[in-house]
Amino acid sequence: KAGVTQTPRYLIKTRGQQVTLSCSPISGHRSVSWYQQTPGQGLQFLFEYFSETQRNKGNFPGRFSGRQFSNSRSEMNVSTLELGDSALYLCASSPTGGQYGYTFGSGTRLTVV
Amino acid sequence: GEDVEQSLFLSVREGDSSVINCTYTDSSSTYLYWYKQEPGAGLQLLTYIFSNMDMKQDQRLTVLLNKKDKHLSLRIADTQTGDSAIYFCAERADAGNNRKLIWGLGTSLAVNP
Repeated sequence: KAGVTQTPRYLIKTRGQQVTLSCSPISGHRSVSWYQQTPGQGLQFLFEYFSETQRNKGNFPGRFSGRQFSNSRSEMNVSTLELGDSALYLCASSPTGGQYGYTFGSGTRLTVV
Repeated sequence: GEDVEQSLFLSVREGDSSVINCTYTDSSSTYLYWYKQEPGAGLQLLTYIFSNMDMKQDQRLTVLLNKKDKHLSLRIADTQTGDSAIYFCAERADAGNNRKLIWGLGTSLAVNP
């Protein structure tokens, strides 16, 4: 079966712009989590959605938001981009609570110039 | 506080065993995970261990958990060049409704022929 699909793979945006990233989880997976990965900070948890509801949220400013649709696909949005938002954004899905691990997508590489 | 620490680099010869170590601080951790990340790719779940276990073996992989010392290790037997990657340790912290994964910064494993 298809894995977790993230689009686009690469993105270049200008400071101040906004961006929307998309994630399609594995079919049947209802939980979708988002992470930001940078060389200095490693993997930082952004948020988790389950059945269209945000279940958990990390310590990121309100410029970072997300949502999940009825088909479990998820989007995350970053408004008023800053240079420090340049990172690899990873999406992960699991059937329910993720206790047996998550399946990750290949990520979206966002560069803010 | 919540923290997961790993050594940043490990270099081994092909055919030798690799041991990657991790320490964590959250005593409420229920599951601990090892993920592998190859260049340009997302994270691949290698294995996980429940906090009431002290060992788990899966083919070439052996996970040891010392809950008293909050120490987790991953042993890769007969290490191959294809094992060269970054290995992440993560703990699942369950604090009420605020469930999330806390990640180490990753150990870069170099396998020399």
